[in-house]
Amino acid sequence: GENVEQHPSTLSVQEGDSAVIKCTYSDSASNYFPWYKQELGKRPQLIIDIRSNVGEKKDQRIAVTLNKTAKHFSLHITETQPEDSAVYFCAASSNFGNEKLTFGTGTRLTIIP
Amino acid sequence: NAGVTQTPKFRVLKTGQSMTLLCAQDMNHEYMYWYRQDPGMGLRLIHYSVGEGTTAKGEVPDGYNVSRLKKQNFLLGLESAAPSQTSVYFCASSYSSREVKNIQYFGAGTRLSVL
Repeated sequence: GENVEQHPSTLSVQEGDSAVIKCTYSDSASNYFPWYKQELGKRPQLIIDIRSNVGEKKDQRIAVTLNKTAKHFSLHITETQPEDSAVYFCAASSNFGNEKLTFGTGTRLTIIP
Repeated sequence: NAGVTQTPKFRVLKTGQSMTLLCAQDMNHEYMYWYRQDPGMGLRLIHYSVGEGTTAKGEVPDGYNVSRLKKQNFLLGLESAAPSQTSVYFCASSYSSREVKNIQYFGAGTRLSVL
């Protein structure tokens, strides 16, 4: 089955700096890669996703890049703000007919004021 | 529009007791999932369902059973609770269309402690 590895497990950045979280996946058939944000005590919520036919996607201060050859994808957050502090999960889904997501182990991002 | 609702929010069990967690969604989603979240382990899939009357095993199914008798409900059962099942349980539902894939909407979670 699919295996998703996520790094780093914790990340602290100064407010206003950029943060990058990286994930690798094992199944070359994976074609959908979402990122979820979970604030303390809250439920995970989708913040951005990318399909395998796209190399990069941006939404305001967040962007995701995908390298299918290397089987890795990354989340980039620019101009970080205190409200960006949360746990971020990457995930991968293989096969268009298979609706399971395999999640990474999460990255706890702390923004230092 | 409530989205995904989980009951109960908190529960404390003694080892060997049984319980059922209820997940209800009002978005007419076909797919529903049960995850457990443990520190440093991310979200691990327990069981899932791709439609009413169907269930399938996920990554960590042992010790749990599920049922999807109605499209809007997905029940997670613990027949004989063990301390290793102490965790936060999340239910999620999703739909799939030509434009959107696998957006999962999560419930607020159930915090379960097994003593």
